[in-house]
Amino acid sequence: DSGVTQTPKHLITATGQRVTLRCSPRSGDLSVYWYQQSLDQGLQFLIQYYNGEERAKGNILERFSAQQFPDLHSELNLSSLELGDSALYFCASSVTQRGGLDTQYFGPGTRLTVL
Amino acid sequence: EDQVTQSPEALRLQEGESSSLNCSYTVSGLRGLFWYRQDPGKGPEFLFTLYSAGEEKEKERLKATLTKKESFLHITAPKPEDSATYLCAVLAEYGNKLVFGAGTILRVKS
Repeated sequence: DSGVTQTPKHLITATGQRVTLRCSPRSGDLSVYWYQQSLDQGLQFLIQYYNGEERAKGNILERFSAQQFPDLHSELNLSSLELGDSALYFCASSVTQRGGLDTQYFGPGTRLTVL
Repeated sequence: EDQVTQSPEALRLQEGESSSLNCSYTVSGLRGLFWYRQDPGKGPEFLFTLYSAGEEKEKERLKATLTKKESFLHITAPKPEDSATYLCAVLAEYGNKLVFGAGTILRVKS
C-alpha cells in the first residue's frame, strides 16, 4: 500500500458525459501527478500540482482539467468523453515540487470505461 | 524528444533462471532513471532510482545498473512472485515530467 488513495476504483459512463476522479496523496506529500495508461499509449504524464498550483503539464487534452485543493487532495475532471478516453488513470504523489526527481508513489488507479 | 525503449516486450523464465531486462533512453541530459514494478490492474510500485552512469542498486533478487545510454534490471534466481510488468522511466535535465517506456512483461514459471 503506497498511501495514495484514489476513488472510484471503477467508472463506467457513456460518450459525451463528464466524470470526476479523486486522489488523496500520502501524508506529507505536497505534489500530485496524474497519469493515463492505455494499452496503446502506455503510461502518459498528464499534469502535476504542487501545493495547490499547477507545476507541469504533459499531453493533457483541453477536455481534461485538474485542481488541487487546500487539503491537498486533487481531482481530475474529464468532459465530453470519447471512447478513446477509456483507460486506467493513476494519481501519484511526492514530497516536493522538484518534479520527478523525488520518488513518485502511485495510487491503485481508477479504471474508466466509456461506452 | 525524450524517448525510452524497453526490451524485450515479454520474457518467460523458469524459476531460478536468471536474466536481464533492458531500458535504452534518449534524453537531453539525464537527471534520473527510475524502475517500477506493476502488477495487473494495480499502480506502479517504486523499485529504484539511478542518477549517474556506473551506479548500481540492489533489492532482494533485483539489481539495477546504469550506463550513459541504457539501464539493465538483472533478476537473479527469479521466483513466480517476481512475475509483473517492469517499467523504466527517465527524467530529463530540463524537464519535470517522467517519460515511461512501454514496459517488459515478465512471467516466471515454477
